[in-house]
Amino acid sequence: KQEVTQIPAALSVPEGENLVLNCSFTDSAIYNLQWFRQDPGKGLTSLLLIQSSQREQTSGRLNASLDKSSGRSTLYIAASQPGDSATYLCAVGSGNTPLVFGKGTRLSVIA
Amino acid sequence: GAGVSQTPSNKVTEKGKYVELRCDPISGHTALYWYRQSLGQGPEFLIYFQGTGAADDSGLPNDRFFAVRPEGSVSTLKIQRTERGDSAVYLCASSLMSGDRNEQFFGPGTRLTVL
Repeated sequence: KQEVTQIPAALSVPEGENLVLNCSFTDSAIYNLQWFRQDPGKGLTSLLLIQSSQREQTSGRLNASLDKSSGRSTLYIAASQPGDSATYLCAVGSGNTPLVFGKGTRLSVIA
Repeated sequence: GAGVSQTPSNKVTEKGKYVELRCDPISGHTALYWYRQSLGQGPEFLIYFQGTGAADDSGLPNDRFFAVRPEGSVSTLKIQRTERGDSAVYLCASSLMSGDRNEQFFGPGTRLTVL
């Protein structure tokens, strides 16, 4: 059974700092990995999708990497801003099957 | 363009009552998923539709829960004899592509509170 772990559970950083969020998964037979952002009381916003054949994806100040063989992904946020404060969720998918989520990392960027 | 929509946004009910939660997926998306999220946890899978049929309902916690998607678009999640433990945010997602490009897009969720 696939299990996804996210470390740290919570993170507080000053504005402008670069930061890394970590995600690990137990079964490397995945098709893709998605990173989501969730604001309090809201749904999930898809940030990046990395296909199993890819090593990384970039969108603006966000860069996500995937190392399937070691079961790890990282989300790098450059020059963090208070507006980046949210919970970041990592989820792995295998074809059309449902996503398996981690518990998320709660990020606070202090102005 | 229109994303995934869910109604109602909030639902408060009494223990033992019946509730229906609705999901409108992105137009043209053939796959539809229901998840449930408790406070401080990631979403957990409930049921997945491909077209009109339930392709996988292994995440439904018991027979009080069932869902339908009669025309392959809108889906309704139905909960009978609600219990306090059913209180959670119910999220719906849809997707178009298959395989490794299966990117899921989520709605805002329905917050269910059972008193």
